[in-house]
Amino acid sequence: DVKVTQSSRYLVKRTGEKVFLECVQDMDHENMFWYRQDPGLGLRLIYFSYDVKMKEKGDIPEGYSVSREKKERFSLILESASTNQTSMYLCASSAGQWNTEAFFGQGTRLTVV
Amino acid sequence: DAKTTQPTSMDCAEGRAANLPCNHSTISGNEYVYWYRQIHSQGPQYIIHGLKNNETNEMASLIITEDRKSSTLILPHATLRDTAVYYCIVRRYTGTASKLTFGTGTRLQVTL
Repeated sequence: DVKVTQSSRYLVKRTGEKVFLECVQDMDHENMFWYRQDPGLGLRLIYFSYDVKMKEKGDIPEGYSVSREKKERFSLILESASTNQTSMYLCASSAGQWNTEAFFGQGTRLTVV
Repeated sequence: DAKTTQPTSMDCAEGRAANLPCNHSTISGNEYVYWYRQIHSQGPQYIIHGLKNNETNEMASLIITEDRKSSTLILPHATLRDTAVYYCIVRRYTGTASKLTFGTGTRLQVTL
């Protein structure tokens, strides 16, 4: 069974903290994605990666960075967490071919206080 | 990516077919139409995708108009478990990768 695993289901952090959200996939996928989901705004793409050490900005990259040192792991980094980054964060992965489906993790609900 | 337009919400009676429309009038020739759904508190789940031809799988059917400017997802016999937000996405290849850009989707409520 294919799997995308996010390290935490719920997370509470303080303003100004450096936050790491981890995502691991076991399908040897080339592409990995980070989204945030907020009420009324749907899913918005933050960053995606198409290979190890390769990344591209999505629609809302400000305040975030990413790291992909190994193919199976894609990390989202909040350098200095702020309250407006309180959100549900979703990770996804897909194979390199562009006409294949993407698989999503269960999400991490991050609260910044 | 081509923009998609979907109704905000729809209702469907259990056992009836649910027809969810999507407008993607600016779609390009090499862009695929994808459908995902998200049940409350879960990550989005892939349903189906297509390029030109109509597609069917065990979950749903996808009807794409000949000009490809719109499509319809059909759930042939909706059940209460099909209550979810349904996203229509147009996916293109950028040369390095293919990103998935979601909109706000259609909230489908299946009722008894």
